[in-house]
Amino acid sequence: ETGVTQTPRHLVMGMTNKKSLKCEQHLGHNAMYWYKQSAKKPLELMFVYSLEERVENNSVPSRFSPECPNSSHLFLHLHTLQPEDSALYLCASSQGDYYTGELFFGEGSRLTVL
Amino acid sequence: SQQGEEDPQALSIQEGENATMNCSYKTSINNLQWYRQNSGRGLVHLILIRSNEREKHSGRLRVTLDTSKKSSSLLITASRAADTASYFCATKTSGSRLTFGEGTQLTVNP
Repeated sequence: ETGVTQTPRHLVMGMTNKKSLKCEQHLGHNAMYWYKQSAKKPLELMFVYSLEERVENNSVPSRFSPECPNSSHLFLHLHTLQPEDSALYLCASSQGDYYTGELFFGEGSRLTVL
Repeated sequence: SQQGEEDPQALSIQEGENATMNCSYKTSINNLQWYRQNSGRGLVHLILIRSNEREKHSGRLRVTLDTSKKSSSLLITASRAADTASYFCATKTSGSRLTFGEGTQLTVNP
């Protein structure tokens, strides 16, 4: 238990569906992150939120839409995804953006796009 | 481009043996971190070594850092089947966020 909870753990969706991934951290951290992990590839940083403000968007397609309503919650809204978007989506948090210490990860949401 | 690169990509050993994984990086760093990931799960932080440190220990883990060679190694002593996982190095540079390598898949056979 890392203090970062992701739901759902597994999600199967069609290309026309709309779904959301949820992340909640109980660590009092100020920064939250979405990463994408595909097979045989390094972790890809997608979005960074610091104090509920988006501070980085790494050229992520608009079919991925993040939302950070408060410093404890982070969502990733998904719509009209492609099969190549199938991956493990990891949420992480840290004490602050550009913090030099460790990241705390959730268990991930395994997404399969049919 | 990718900052940290692990070597080997895959490692298979017998229980009780030591496992050594290496990480090379390209630019000066503030610190280097090692993470572990069990299959299909999230990453768990193992150890952080700062650029002015050369060696660090945590239980059965030993990490070394050679800034002149821009490389680090993670040694797991007396390995157990439960150590089977992917191990990632991640580098932290000034003004940038943590950058992860592709990982080393360690299999410890009972």
